[in-house]
Amino acid sequence: RKEVEQDPGPFNVPEGATVAFNCTYSNSASQSFFWYRQDCRKEPKLLMSVYSSGNEDGRFTAQLNRASQYISLLIRDSKLSDSATYLCVVRARGNRDDKIIFGKGTRLHILP
Amino acid sequence: DAGITQSPRHKVTETGTPVTLRCHQTENHRYMYWYRQDPGHGLRLIHYSYGVKDTDKGEVSDGYSVSRSKTEDFLLTLESATSSQTSVYFCAIRLGQDNEQFFGPGTRLTVL
Repeated sequence: RKEVEQDPGPFNVPEGATVAFNCTYSNSASQSFFWYRQDCRKEPKLLMSVYSSGNEDGRFTAQLNRASQYISLLIRDSKLSDSATYLCVVRARGNRDDKIIFGKGTRLHILP
Repeated sequence: DAGITQSPRHKVTETGTPVTLRCHQTENHRYMYWYRQDPGHGLRLIHYSYGVKDTDKGEVSDGYSVSRSKTEDFLLTLESATSSQTSVYFCAIRLGQDNEQFFGPGTRLTVL
């Protein structure tokens, strides 16, 4: 099983729709979880951290299921500007530093 | 904005030549990272630093060396560039309550 696995997409979704991404991770000792957004030819940018209780930031909701080892991202009322690649990121404790694993990303295209 | 700059932003070089990429941060962060990003692979850690003169290897360190003689600068050197090192290189720092990573704008390197 890959350390962090995401559906590569692309997801082609009409504007205004709701879209959901899932990400699975293999290391049960993982401690922190994040969603990043990456626009074409740009650097990844932190979208939100993911907490055990679930968290929401405007149209974005992130959830964590430790028992099943997956995290999810829900985008409601999608906008054209949401078109990007969404990276799932997992952090586990390492020796000198934490081990951070990036998923390969899920591409999202919002269609007008 | 985490105050990270990378130079150069674009570089074309020939196989066998040495190349040095620079990452500069202005906010005294202890941890700095070098990643490469390639289609189909996502972000992969090359080397990281946990303080001045303290560095360690990541998962794809072969062919790369790093140096950190000052807190603000983290240099990545390709001693003899190969075509397989054509990639986009991102520098990152670690901060925040969840130790999330923030990225520089990237360097696009082409080795002919």
